Order: sequence, then structure tokens, then C-alpha cells
Amino acid sequence: GDSVTQMEGPVTLSEEAFLTINCTYTATGYPSLFWYVQYPGEGLQLLLKATKADDKGSNKGFEATYRKETTSFHLEKGSVQVSDSAVYFCALSAPSSGGSYIPTFGRGTSLIVHP
Amino acid sequence: NAGVMQNPRHLVRRRGQEARLRCSPMKGHSHVYWYRQLPEEGLKFMVYLQKENIIDESGMPKERFSAEFPKEGPSILRIQQVVRGDSAAYFCASSPGFGQGRNEQYFGPGTRLTVT
Repeated sequence: GDSVTQMEGPVTLSEEAFLTINCTYTATGYPSLFWYVQYPGEGLQLLLKATKADDKGSNKGFEATYRKETTSFHLEKGSVQVSDSAVYFCALSAPSSGGSYIPTFGRGTSLIVHP
Repeated sequence: NAGVMQNPRHLVRRRGQEARLRCSPMKGHSHVYWYRQLPEEGLKFMVYLQKENIIDESGMPKERFSAEFPKEGPSILRIQQVVRGDSAAYFCASSPGFGQGRNEQYFGPGTRLTVT
């Protein structure tokens, strides 16, 4: 079945450091790929998405490129802020055997940014 | 435009009681998904519904759990005879249902169920 693998956290950085959170996936066909962010006590919010190979999703300084050849969708940000501290989830959406689109989520990576 | 609403936000039940969790999708969204999240774990898919139809319930336990999305009113996730292992955060998400999976999901704030 489909799966998403994220690097384990927590990732601890100082403010203004460069961020990379790795995400690789396995899926049949051509899934859409997403990054969601979850702040404490809240639900997930979409951060960015990409729907086909070589697409780059970007939002709020975060970027991720859909790499079909390496089945990856790594999240990057050039300069993190304390307010970026949250849990980040990589996800894919692909048709199930029954034809419906059921998203598959990674386990989440906790990011802690220190001042 | 109101987002996805879930209530209650916190629910405490004793073992053996029933828990009812409600989800109102975003306006115009006809697809609802329920997920369970345990500490230190990711989001586990439970069930996918459209109005009056269960599309995929492959992630839902066969016993004690049921879900519905009636023509009128919110989607309901029902857990009968709760046990301590049911304690978790339950999230609902909605999507417009078109775009063949290219659309993101919009999540509610979750219901945190505690079974004592």
C-alpha cells in the first residue's frame, strides 16, 4: 500500500537557521503531495502542495519540490522563526483500490526553534 | 466563511459509556474524513463519507465504532462502550470532493476524548 516516511524528530534549530525535513513516499500512479502543519492544540493546516512531478509548492517561506525520480518531497525554509515551532506532516493523496482518494500521512516531525 | 467545526472540543467518558463526536464541514464541502491521532503517532485514517454514503471505512474498527453523514446536519462519529484505549484526539476534515485527490483537506480543531 501507499506510505509516507518522514525523518524522526524533534528537529531543534536556532532562529534564522536553515530547515530541511525529509519526506519520501511510495505509491502507485501519480499521487498529489502535501505538507501540513499542526500547532499545539489545533488541527492540521495545509502548508503547501504539489500535484505533479517537478512542481514546487511554496508558502510563508517554506518550499518543497515534487521529485518523482527520488520519490521525495522534502520541506525547506531558508530562515526559521520561533513561531515556526510546530509538528509538520507530509502526506500524499492517491486512488485506493476502490477508486476513492484516501490521504496517507507520515508520522509527523516536531520542529523546535530556539531564540 | 466558517471553517470545519467539531464539538465538543473535549469529552470525558467513563469506560462503557458512549461517545458522540460531531463534525460540520466547510460550507460547500460534501466529503468528510475522520482520523484518530495518538500521542507520538501520526494521523490514522478511519472513515470517508459523502452525504448519506460511507465511501471507505477500511480504517475503522469493526466493533463499537460507527459513522454517519446524514442529508441534513453534521457528520457523527459514534464510539459505543468506550475503553481506555479509545482515548485520543479525533479529527474531522472536509474537502469539496472534486479534483480527483488534488485538493487539500480542511481540518477541524479536533475532539480530545479521555476515557476514565
